Amino acid sequence: DTAVSQTPKYLVTQMGNDKSIKCEQNLGHDTMYWYKQDSKKFLKIMFSYNNKELIINETVPNRFSPKSPDKAHLNLHINSLELGDSAVYFCASSQEGRKLFFGSGTQLSVL
Amino acid sequence: AQTVTQSQPEMSVQEAETVTLSCTYDTSESDYYLFWYKQPPSRQMILVIRQEAYKQQNATENRFSVNFQKAAKSFSLKISDSQLGDAAMYFCAYRSSNTGNQFYFGTGTSLTVIP
Repeated sequence: DTAVSQTPKYLVTQMGNDKSIKCEQNLGHDTMYWYKQDSKKFLKIMFSYNNKELIINETVPNRFSPKSPDKAHLNLHINSLELGDSAVYFCASSQEGRKLFFGSGTQLSVL
Repeated sequence: AQTVTQSQPEMSVQEAETVTLSCTYDTSESDYYLFWYKQPPSRQMILVIRQEAYKQQNATENRFSVNFQKAAKSFSLKISDSQLGDAAMYFCAYRSSNTGNQFYFGTGTSLTVIP
């Protein structure tokens, strides 16, 4: 069983569209995250979320929103996609911050 | 946000030799965690090694070891007996105890292993 799974692996879409990326972890971890990896491989934290607190990186546009139906899921919704949103998006989880377990990433291409 | 600096965008090493990747970080905290993650061409992020700041002993995992200098805020990764499979991007990461368990990453070092 995959510990942190995200779907889809690849997403190609037009500018202006709205899309979602799903993430599920079966590790029972208390915190989930979304990271953006740009073309230069820089990993930037977008959100971290546990059942008490959502922390949003201040540089993330409000077109991006995390949705957590339960502790095991943290989906990423993106509205009005722009060319600059093209990147690889990683979901991750941790238990009390001991270490990060990553999903395999979603490569988003906005045309 | 915390700052993690990797000053070597690219490094290369001969197979079977040893290489050291550098990482420095900026913090005013005394309790934190440091990590090295590896990202091969498959894109998967893999934990290589972890160090708790309160531990003076340097962490080791088989051929991988760190040199943790808390006063200097330095956390370098040494790879011994380099193998072709070690070729990857290596990211240094910092986790604060005070900011909701957020992990901050450096810009990465691309390691090439020469046969």
